[in-house]
Amino acid sequence: RKEVEQDPGPFNVPEGATVAFNCTYSNSASQSFFWYRQDCRKEPKLLMSVYSSGNEDGRFTAQLNRASQYISLLIRDSKLSDSATYLCVVAGGYQKVTFGTGTKLQVIP
Amino acid sequence: DGGITQSPKYLFRKEGQNVTLSCEQNLNHDAMYWYRQDPGQGLRLIYYSQIVNDFQKGDIAEGYSVSREKKESFPLTVTSAQKNPTAFYLCASSSDRLLLSEQYFGPGTRLTVT
Repeated sequence: RKEVEQDPGPFNVPEGATVAFNCTYSNSASQSFFWYRQDCRKEPKLLMSVYSSGNEDGRFTAQLNRASQYISLLIRDSKLSDSATYLCVVAGGYQKVTFGTGTKLQVIP
Repeated sequence: DGGITQSPKYLFRKEGQNVTLSCEQNLNHDAMYWYRQDPGQGLRLIYYSQIVNDFQKGDIAEGYSVSREKKESFPLTVTSAQKNPTAFYLCASSSDRLLLSEQYFGPGTRLTVT
């Protein structure tokens, strides 16, 4: 089993749709979780941290499920500008820091 | 402006030559990292440093070397021993030595070796 797994997609959704991504991790000792956004041929940029209580930033909601060892990202009211690859990151435990391979989102007009 | 800078943006080298990629940060971060990204792939950790004068191998350290003589600088040398050096190289930093906080990335260097 991979340390961090994401569905590569692509997810093709119409503007205004709600889309959700999951990311599973194998190390139960992991302590920190993040979502990053990466545009084509650019560096990853931090989208949001993921807390046990869940957190929301505008149209974006991130949640952590420690029992099932996954984190999720929900994007509401998708915009064309949301088209990008979304990377989950898991840190802590023996793995140090591990990036998922990313889920590609394409928002269609 | 605080941030991470990498130079150059594009780099071309002949096979057999060593090349050093620059990474500088003025965020006063303790930890710094080097990643490699191949087309359509995720990020793979090459080396990381939690404190000045100390660094650790990541998942794919073979053919690479680093130094951390100053807190703000973490240069990466791609040696001729690296079998497939052509890739997008990303440097990052984070504030804590435990590697648990979010990372901030530089704009990357695209290395092409022919």
